[in-house]
Amino acid sequence: GAVVSQHPSWVICKSGTSVKIECRSLDFQATTMFWYRQFPKQSLMLMATSNEGSKATYEQGVEKDKFLINHASLTLSTLTVTSAHPEDSSFYICSARSGRRLNEQYFGPGTRLTVT
Amino acid sequence: QKEVEQDPGPLSVPEGAIVSLNCTYSNSAFQYFMWYRQYSRKGPELLMYTYSSGNKEDGRFTAQVDKSSKYISLFIRDSQPSDSATYLCAMREGAQKLVFGQGTRLTINP
Repeated sequence: GAVVSQHPSWVICKSGTSVKIECRSLDFQATTMFWYRQFPKQSLMLMATSNEGSKATYEQGVEKDKFLINHASLTLSTLTVTSAHPEDSSFYICSARSGRRLNEQYFGPGTRLTVT
Repeated sequence: QKEVEQDPGPLSVPEGAIVSLNCTYSNSAFQYFMWYRQYSRKGPELLMYTYSSGNKEDGRFTAQVDKSSKYISLFIRDSQPSDSATYLCAMREGAQKLVFGQGTRLTINP
């Protein structure tokens, strides 16, 4: 299957600071990328969907000004958590899908964010 | 009622057993069905995907879709301790977003 990478794999930041998470599709062009959040022992919660060159579409209840998503190229999307609070601590996972093979949606390894 | 229902388990079986994981769903428009495996603190890994009803086999894994009953299954034959993980079913209507089940935690005991 295709490879999706995320960086960093884990990050600790202080309250009030911002942190950026990168998601890259390494061997295919991702026309659509997704950002999920996962709490312990729970399923994935979709935060937003982004298409290359377009503004992200956020799910209900997700603050778009707090979780900034940029999908500037077919291989890179970024999620920036602004003014982080301890309740933003979570496991963030990106996912990518090619426009040609909609059946196959691949996930990155995830980024564990801890806000102190 | 959730769109996709999946028994969260946990499910514990001895090594070598046949494992059956299942999901039911309510949206008859779902066309694409996937199974993901997620190890602890890792991202989900796509195991199999099927389109519409039928069976699909890949090594020790078999995915079944019964659209008339709105029921999908994943069978694991000759289960191994390395199969211990959380298994997530997911499904989609057309090019819409994936809808996930809650995930089933599976442990294969040596």
